[in-house]
Amino acid sequence: NAGVTQTPKFQVLKTGQSMTLQCAQDMNHEYMSWYRQDPGMGLRLIHYSVGAGITDQGEVPNGYNVSRSTTEDFPLRLLSAAPSQTSVYFCASRPTGVNTIYFGEGSWLTVV
Amino acid sequence: AQSVTQPDIHITVSEGASLELRCNYSYGATPYLFWYVQSPGQGLQLLLKYFSGDTLVQGIKGFEAEFKRSQSSFNLRKPSVHWSDAAEYFCAVGATAGNKLTFGGGTRVLVKP
Repeated sequence: NAGVTQTPKFQVLKTGQSMTLQCAQDMNHEYMSWYRQDPGMGLRLIHYSVGAGITDQGEVPNGYNVSRSTTEDFPLRLLSAAPSQTSVYFCASRPTGVNTIYFGEGSWLTVV
Repeated sequence: AQSVTQPDIHITVSEGASLELRCNYSYGATPYLFWYVQSPGQGLQLLLKYFSGDTLVQGIKGFEAEFKRSQSSFNLRKPSVHWSDAAEYFCAVGATAGNKLTFGGGTRVLVKP
């Protein structure tokens, strides 16, 4: 049981490049989400999913796409990276009916 | 809209002294409240949570928090701080049946020897 696994842990991108942050969980959790963490602002919700095939926007969705083709995986795509997307990204999941969210260890992204 | 305020950005405390971190929330319904801790370069670890019942909640690592509905607060406390408690602490509020947490800006705790 690996919990919530994020890859890569560190990434440097050039402005305009695209990339995908991977998130996988092996706990059969229905709910998954992506947050970004910026200094002094805590974590802000980007996108979330309540199950395979279902996604919705969070507080700061612009510039990001997600999909949920399986219960296990919830990748976050940056289509054209901007310096404002320099941040730490956290994937999270929770089981149905339980209000405790489990976080991955984070992905540090720098856009230059 | 829900919101969380952590008024203290930094707190410095001596090892062995007590610690209290403040958290105020705004939420239209009965809140689900959480405290998370983040050590440098690490992810978030759940310290404790409050859903209902006893308003004094015990968590891991010797932490406790008290829910005060009249003050819209959920302050975190520890009677005696250890050097390993140096970290950033986040308060969060969530819906009763949702997947969306709203976080405060965090409080960074420094522990002096």
